Amino acid sequence: DAMVIQNPRYQVTQFGKPVTLSCSQTLNHNVMYWYQQKSSQAPKLLFHYYDKDFNNEADTPDNFQSRRPNTSFCFLDIRSPGLGDAAMYLCATRGQGTTEAFFGQGTRLTVV
Amino acid sequence: AQKVTQAQTEISVVEKEDVTLDCVYETRDTTYYLFWYKQPPSGELVFLIRRNSFDEQNEISGRYSWNFQKSTSSFNFTITASQVVDSAVYFCALIPINAGGTSYGKLTFGQGTILTVHP
Repeated sequence: DAMVIQNPRYQVTQFGKPVTLSCSQTLNHNVMYWYQQKSSQAPKLLFHYYDKDFNNEADTPDNFQSRRPNTSFCFLDIRSPGLGDAAMYLCATRGQGTTEAFFGQGTRLTVV
Repeated sequence: AQKVTQAQTEISVVEKEDVTLDCVYETRDTTYYLFWYKQPPSGELVFLIRRNSFDEQNEISGRYSWNFQKSTSSFNFTITASQVVDSAVYFCALIPINAGGTSYGKLTFGQGTILTVHP
């Protein structure tokens, strides 16, 4: 059974139209990450939560926001998607005191 | 800051050949974990192995083996008798460890190596 679930798997949005990607986990992990992965590139960390503490990477554009209403769920909001935001978005979790990150299957975002 | 370099962008082999994926890293941290992840076409990153910087013992798991050499900052991954199902993108990654032995900061990935195994 999938432990980190991302919905939807594929998302098409219009240029400039806000979009939300979701991630849920059944692992009760306290750390959750959002990565952006563009074609043929390594995943790039956007931000992560340590419990409710939000940690933004310095180079993450303001266009990207996140919410974590509880341990199980985390959302990625893109306020005004541009063509350059088309990518695979990966959610990952990690338990306290552990090292292995568990990844979801990703959401592939297309901006038209 | 840390950096992970996978020099091979793409590798193409014929089934049953052995193949080695190279990974070289840079970090100022004295303790860290190294990982290999597999990303099949379906998209998710699948954990393959974790190695603590204290432990330089090589590891074998079935057709997979890993060679960690701290002196050269390398963590290479070998697939023996490759199969078509091994075709995927493989990522090497690093995360630092604090004095308490827990990881902190971010998981830094290499650029990935696209492995194609032909029948």
